[in-house]
Amino acid sequence: GQQVMQIPQYQHVQEGEDFTTYCNSSTTLSNIQWYKQRPGGHPVFLIQLVKSGEVKKQKRLTFQFGEAKKNSSLHITATQTTDVGTYFCADGTASKLTFGTGTRLQVTL
Amino acid sequence: EAQVTQNPRYLITVTGKKLTVTCSQNMNHEYMSWYRQDPGLGLRQIYYSMNVEVTDKGDVPEGYKVSRKEKRNFPLILESPSPNQTSLYFCASSGGGARGNDGYTFGSGTRLTVV
Repeated sequence: GQQVMQIPQYQHVQEGEDFTTYCNSSTTLSNIQWYKQRPGGHPVFLIQLVKSGEVKKQKRLTFQFGEAKKNSSLHITATQTTDVGTYFCADGTASKLTFGTGTRLQVTL
Repeated sequence: EAQVTQNPRYLITVTGKKLTVTCSQNMNHEYMSWYRQDPGLGLRQIYYSMNVEVTDKGDVPEGYKVSRKEKRNFPLILESPSPNQTSLYFCASSGGGARGNDGYTFGSGTRLTVV
């Protein structure tokens, strides 16, 4: 089946530093969704990107969809301790949605 | 409150003893899915449903069954659980479409241990 790879697997930053996670595929992605899962919690939907080259912002979070629709990124500016968790990208439709392996973010003061 | 409710939250069972994990959503969503989450493997789709009586296999369907007799409910059935089905299970639902703001709503999860 299709594989969606995320890098890095883990990142530890100091509060205030920026953070980026990348989602890559060898095949063309249909739609990209991003989710956040807090430790001990469940995934929570953040955003969906549909168009090639699309960029969306949510406060300190910036989401990008690559021009070739084979990669996507999530960038957090000036991280806060509330950003701690695992960030997943997911590709597909409402029925068949394949998740990436996730990037775990740790933020310390 | 719009939500997906799974029960039970925690379950310890023995190999071979049939069990059902229930899932219910109150958002009138067409799409529902079951995922399992294992360390290092992320979230893998077990089964999904596009509407009542319409279900299909995900990436890891072996050892599982589902049914969708009503729109709101999507139970996951393990006919003969085995230790390799020890995992964290999530049910999720979605209204579908590509409207730019239509992701999955997840339940709180069911942690299953098969001994």
